[in-house]
Amino acid sequence: DAGITQSPRYKITETGRQVTLMCHQTWSHSYMFWYRQDLGHGLRLIYYSAAADITDKGEVPDGYVVSRSKTENFPLTLESATRSQTSVYFCASMRQGVNIQYFGAGTRLSVL
Amino acid sequence: DQQVKQNSPSLSVQEGRISILNCDYTNSMFDYFLWYKKYPAEGPTFLISISSIKDKNEDGRFTVFLNKSAKHLSLHIVPSQPGDSAVYFCAAFRGGGGSNYKLTFGKGTLLTVNP
Repeated sequence: DAGITQSPRYKITETGRQVTLMCHQTWSHSYMFWYRQDLGHGLRLIYYSAAADITDKGEVPDGYVVSRSKTENFPLTLESATRSQTSVYFCASMRQGVNIQYFGAGTRLSVL
Repeated sequence: DQQVKQNSPSLSVQEGRISILNCDYTNSMFDYFLWYKKYPAEGPTFLISISSIKDKNEDGRFTVFLNKSAKHLSLHIVPSQPGDSAVYFCAAFRGGGGSNYKLTFGKGTLLTVNP
């Protein structure tokens, strides 16, 4: 049971580069989420998706793009990375009707 | 506007004693609350939850208490073990349809259990 996996686990990039973080879940959960974790802020929601082809902005969406062409995948793209996007990114999924989100192991992104 | 607040950034307790982690919320529309535990370099893992229609939920060594009038919940760990050392996040759902699947997190409390 693979669950929810994120790749890569670590990424270093330069400002202005495009970066895509991958998230894959094997549970066929309807809902998927992207969070970032920063010191002093806890976990903040970037984008979420209720189903394939349905996405919406969270608390901190600026500078990020998401897509969800398949239920199991929810990639997060930084179109032009900035230093302020250095963070740890977590993907999560949730089954409809059950109010528990399950998280991946995270991607640590450094933008130099 | 922080809707879920964990006012203690850290807590240190001795092995075998009780750990009490606190969480306050401001949004009266929240009706489901969760605690997550997070170890370094791992994702948060679900620990225990409570619906607003209850005031207590227990699962082994972990008990969550909810005081709706005070908008306060707490997580009790008895007895505390060194393996419980982690960051604990309080989170809340707002019910009523629409965005009820979005979690609002507190900033977390680092629990250290000393042997």
